[in-house]
Order: sequence, then C-alpha cells, then structure tokens
Amino acid sequence: KNEVEQSPQNLTAQEGEFITINCSYSVGISALHWLQQHPGGGIVSLFMLSSGKKKHGRLIATINIQEKHSSLHITASHPRDSAVYICAAVTGTASKLTFGTGTRLQVTL
Amino acid sequence: KAGVTQTPRYLIKTRGQQVTLSCSPISGHRSVSWYQQTPGQGLQFLFEYFSETQRNKGNFPGRFSGRQFSNSRSEMNVSTLELGDSALYLCASSLEPGFDQPQHFGDGTRLSIL
Repeated sequence: KNEVEQSPQNLTAQEGEFITINCSYSVGISALHWLQQHPGGGIVSLFMLSSGKKKHGRLIATINIQEKHSSLHITASHPRDSAVYICAAVTGTASKLTFGTGTRLQVTL
Repeated sequence: KAGVTQTPRYLIKTRGQQVTLSCSPISGHRSVSWYQQTPGQGLQFLFEYFSETQRNKGNFPGRFSGRQFSNSRSEMNVSTLELGDSALYLCASSLEPGFDQPQHFGDGTRLSIL
C-alpha cells in the first residue's frame, strides 16, 4: 500500500461542476503540497498547507492532520482546469517528499 | 523573474550511454531537488542539493548522481543508461532546504532511451 493515496484516479466533469479530489496518507506529515501538471509535463505548485484551509481563486485546499486527509476542490470548473493533480506529503524532518499517483481531470464543455 | 530552467527539453540516448541534465533555479533560490516521473512509478524523489551538498537521496541506484555549483545551478548524471531510465526528469527549486516550503518546478527534460 502506498503511503500517499489519491482518489479518484480519473475524473470527467462538465464545465461549471464542483470538483473534489482526495488525498489520504498513512504516515505523519509536516505539510502537504497540491500540484498541477498539464500535458507537456511542467508542474505548477498550487498549495502547500499544514493545517486548515487555503483558497486561491476557484481552488480550495483543506487538510485534516488528525484524519490524515486532504482535499482539493475546484469550483465552477472550466476546460482549462483539465490536468493531472498530484498531492505530495512532506515527511521526516521535512526531508522527504512522497507523491500520490495523481488524479487525471478532464473538464468538457 | 525567470522560472526554473531545465535543459535540454528532450533527449534521445541509447542503452549504455550516459547523460547529463541541467537545472537553473530561480534567482536567489539555493535549494534544488530532482525527480523522476514514469507512467509506471509516477513521481519519485531523486535527490536534494543545498549549498553544493547533497542533503537527501531517494532510493535510486548509484548510476544516478548529481551535483550543485556555487551559483546554485545543478546537474544530474545518469551513467550506463537502461531502457527503464526513459522518463521525464523534473527539478524544483526553493529558497531554503527542506520540503515544508513552496517548491517551484521546471518544465522537465524528457529522456528517451532506445
């Protein structure tokens, strides 16, 4: 079993829908990153959080350290949100980064 | 401010050769980390450098090595290439070492082994 699990693996939504991507981890962490990867490979860091909730535009990330769970929400989804979303857990003394397997999101018109 | 720059973007090599990839961090960033991404294994951490010293290393064979220069630019080298080394290699930079701070990724080098 992977230390960091994401669900769902694939997600198709229609434009305007509310989207939730989940990330759970089995080890203690000090922080968690949410990353976005578009076709072509480049990765953009969306959030880094260690508690509570963060919001940027239509994106919201939450984390519950006790329950070992984080979610990424996209409100009013748009085709340009189509990408792979990856969570990454920071473990050790901030010395190790373990990645989830990614969620491939496709938003259609 | 320029982002993280990786060169080359694409590379084709044959088995047994060696390859060197380059990563220039964002100006002022002193920490550089490297990652391998394959369809089968996903993203995996290779190593982290700070002040020209390797701080951490992932679970990869000794054929994978790296270094960091005094200007924070980093290179990684893979020797005796194998078919399984075909992957997207990404680097990321941050102001300070450790992963409990924002990471800024480059666009990657796509390495194909024939």
